[in-house]
Amino acid sequence: GESVGLHLPTLSVQEGDNSIINCAYSNSASDYFIWYKQESGKGPQFIIDIRSNMDKRQGQRVTVLLNKTVKHLSLQIAATQPGDSAVYFCAEILQGGSEKLVFGKGMKLTVNP
Amino acid sequence: GAGVSQSPRYKVTKRGQDVTLRCDPISSHATLYWYQQALGQGPEFLTYFNYEAQPDKSGLPSDRFSAERPEGSISTLTIQRTEQRDSAMYRCASSLAVSGQQYFGPGTRLTVT
Repeated sequence: GESVGLHLPTLSVQEGDNSIINCAYSNSASDYFIWYKQESGKGPQFIIDIRSNMDKRQGQRVTVLLNKTVKHLSLQIAATQPGDSAVYFCAEILQGGSEKLVFGKGMKLTVNP
Repeated sequence: GAGVSQSPRYKVTKRGQDVTLRCDPISSHATLYWYQQALGQGPEFLTYFNYEAQPDKSGLPSDRFSAERPEGSISTLTIQRTEQRDSAMYRCASSLAVSGQQYFGPGTRLTVT
């Protein structure tokens, strides 16, 4: 499959460690944020989302934190597994009816066994 | 269907030719999106449909790009007089409703020679 992770910043972790992937978003009017995982040769896959009226949301092994003051979003993955190796994108939707998803730059996560 | 499908998966065309890409959304999904993804980048919004209406086509790079969804299900993206800079992965996504979780297809890799 094509290398979606080409030229992206990379985070390397050991299997079993916790991973934190950060994202700075640009628009203070955005009210909905989503993290996507993209494996090589595949389309982006939804992981977790959060609305702007929340600052934390937990899923299975994943937690998203939102800091609206500094326009910062993070994804925490607990007990990282080799299957978590992928490129991770944050995305935002602007409040006000436009359904345009704006994706951030992406971070390539490599999990070493 | 079980997921979003796109065809063809790969398309090589000569500069100046027209191409049409097809997207089959998840059945019953009202909203359909088109994105362009360059290697190593996140998807960039092109346009979206809510049933057969096309409320936002602000992301289409030029008037050579057009999209249709005449019966509110299958959609096509047409690029006329292709140029080398049009070479990219074109991804389709669908969601049950506007602002719903988007499910991405495998993409069509377009190469303009």
